[in-house]
Amino acid sequence: DADVTQTPRNRITKTGKRIMLECSQTKGHDRMYWYRQDPGLGLRLIYYSFDVKDINKGEISDGYSVSRQAQAKFSLSLESAIPNQTALYFCATSVERGAAVDTQYFGPGTRLTVL
Amino acid sequence: QKEVEQDPGPLSVPEGAIVSLNCTYSNSAFQYFMWYRQYSRKGPELLMYTYSSGNKEDGRFTAQVDKSSKYISLFIRDSQPSDSATYLCAIGTSGSRLTFGEGTQLTVNP
Repeated sequence: DADVTQTPRNRITKTGKRIMLECSQTKGHDRMYWYRQDPGLGLRLIYYSFDVKDINKGEISDGYSVSRQAQAKFSLSLESAIPNQTALYFCATSVERGAAVDTQYFGPGTRLTVL
Repeated sequence: QKEVEQDPGPLSVPEGAIVSLNCTYSNSAFQYFMWYRQYSRKGPELLMYTYSSGNKEDGRFTAQVDKSSKYISLFIRDSQPSDSATYLCAIGTSGSRLTFGEGTQLTVNP
């Protein structure tokens, strides 16, 4: 089984709808991340969490919210989806507590289309 | 100025060519340097990782770091069609999160 799973893998929705993307990991890592990827813009960090009680905004958090329900689960919500949120979304995990190097392991991605 | 800048490409080469992928960074505090490879419709995966200036080889891949110039490179020798992917550099400091470059799309033509 994959270490980092994302659901759904593909989603088409309409403007104004609330959408939740879910991420689960079996790696036992403390840190979890949400990124979006757009052609020509690379990976842009939306939110990250260093443990269950620590949530931080990334560079493009407007229009998004997150919930860290457990060490292994980190959900991303779009409260009212808009077309420019159409993108490929990745969840990533990294490190056990105290590790020096932030090697990140990525899920397979969710392709979201907002019409 | 972005903390990490990567040659955007795209890059198209014939099979067997030597490929050079490059990133520059602005913060001299960065301590470790990674290259991720991302195949189409997949998540990025770690390809190579190094701490120090100089070269690190892994098969056909060589990661090169020049801390004095704040410049890192990934060389691919004898490139294969299976190397066609997007390559992302990623740089970090001890205890903090990674910063990614924008990625370079590489196509190796048979």
